[in-house]
Amino acid sequence: SQKIEQNSEALNIQEGKTATLTCNYTNYSPAYLQWYRQDPGRGPVFLLLIRENEKEKRKERLKVTFDTTLKQSLFHITASQPADSATYLCALGGSASKIIFGSGTRLSIRP
Amino acid sequence: SQTIHQWPATLVQPVGSPLSLECTVEGTSNPNLYWYRQAAGRGLQLLFYSVGIGQISSEVPQNLSASRPQDRQFILSSKKLLLSDSGFYLCAAPIGLASEQYFGPGTRLTVT
Repeated sequence: SQKIEQNSEALNIQEGKTATLTCNYTNYSPAYLQWYRQDPGRGPVFLLLIRENEKEKRKERLKVTFDTTLKQSLFHITASQPADSATYLCALGGSASKIIFGSGTRLSIRP
Repeated sequence: SQTIHQWPATLVQPVGSPLSLECTVEGTSNPNLYWYRQAAGRGLQLLFYSVGIGQISSEVPQNLSASRPQDRQFILSSKKLLLSDSGFYLCAAPIGLASEQYFGPGTRLTVT
């Protein structure tokens, strides 16, 4: 069955450093991969989408890579700030209408 | 712009009682609609999705059901709630022609 794994349940890093989150998947060939941010008690908010034929996508301090051979995506936040503390979810989508989410990584940025 | 409404915002129900959660969407027509559940400290579990009126796809066998009686209305139901049904229920729809999910405010359900 399709499976998505986000490598760590929680990640703590120092303000100013680059946070790197990992998303791995198996038994799936997604047409695109998405990253979302979720704050406590709120629904996820879309951040970035990267398609299967794209290697990298950037948006301000965010960078996403997508390696369909490794079946992996990396999500980077450069110059991290305490306000970046949240749970980050990856999601996969394909030709079917459904979108499957990973369990998320809780990121904490300490001042 | 697209807006998703969910109600109620919070709900406390005893085991064995029925459930009805409603989701309505404004600002778009014939959207794909999704129900997700998030247990405490867990990721999002896709429960149901619908590509049109009366069309429901179930992802996880359980005591929940979904219906789409109107184009922009999606309902999640149960005849008898279980303790394991507790969680944060989110309705979602794609934004415009893109595939990014836009989520409603959610319903926090506690089954006691």
